Amino acid sequence: QVQLVESGGGAVQPGRSLRLSCAASGFTFSGYGMHWVRQAPGKGLEWVAVISYDGIKQYSADSVKGRFTISRDNSKNTLYLQMNSLRVEDTAFYFCARDRGYTGNYGIDNWGQGTLVTVSS
Amino acid sequence: QSVLTQPPSASGTPGQRVTISCSGSPSNIGSNNNLNWYQQLPGTAPKLLIYRHDQRPSGVPDRFTGSKSGTSASLAISGLQSEDEGDYYCAAWDDSLSGLIFGGGTKLTVL
Repeated sequence: QVQLVESGGGAVQPGRSLRLSCAASGFTFSGYGMHWVRQAPGKGLEWVAVISYDGIKQYSADSVKGRFTISRDNSKNTLYLQMNSLRVEDTAFYFCARDRGYTGNYGIDNWGQGTLVTVSS
Repeated sequence: QSVLTQPPSASGTPGQRVTISCSGSPSNIGSNNNLNWYQQLPGTAPKLLIYRHDQRPSGVPDRFTGSKSGTSASLAISGLQSEDEGDYYCAAWDDSLSGLIFGGGTKLTVL
């Protein structure tokens, strides 16, 4: 079955960087678009970024544009989120998620369990 | 502020039917058939309930049904059960924003 396991979360000071990873298994990783979605504690879901199956196309939310970069390594079945210039408002659970299609605009059909990122001085 | 608008709360008693609405625009719900609904139970990751506005993944009970009309969509839950209590989100790709958008979420309470 589809498994998505996030890692790399933790506590970090404002302005610093963090890289999240998502290890995928149970499906052909290179055939699907992949997303990052976040959820601040007690708040709703906020889409962060998407990457196409081949890594060529990426889109991100305005709130993270220029600071966060989504990437993937299909040889390692791993999705990444490089987060730079972190702000207090980036504090959230970050979910790795699979899209139903290869381009990344069909919608999410599987989710990881999430990793918590806390940005605080 | 979410581009997809949902009521913040909904409630019903066991056995009742509840409907949750999701209002969008021509650039998202109105432009394609990729409107999805997610259920998030307390302390867990979201789970896909409905895809392509009215399709159920295997394992999702037929108590959950989705529909779409123009730039709006609805999720209906019939035979309400206590384990249905949680948060429900609609989501769709927005062609103008080139991104995935979520509704603000609806907290369902089973009285």
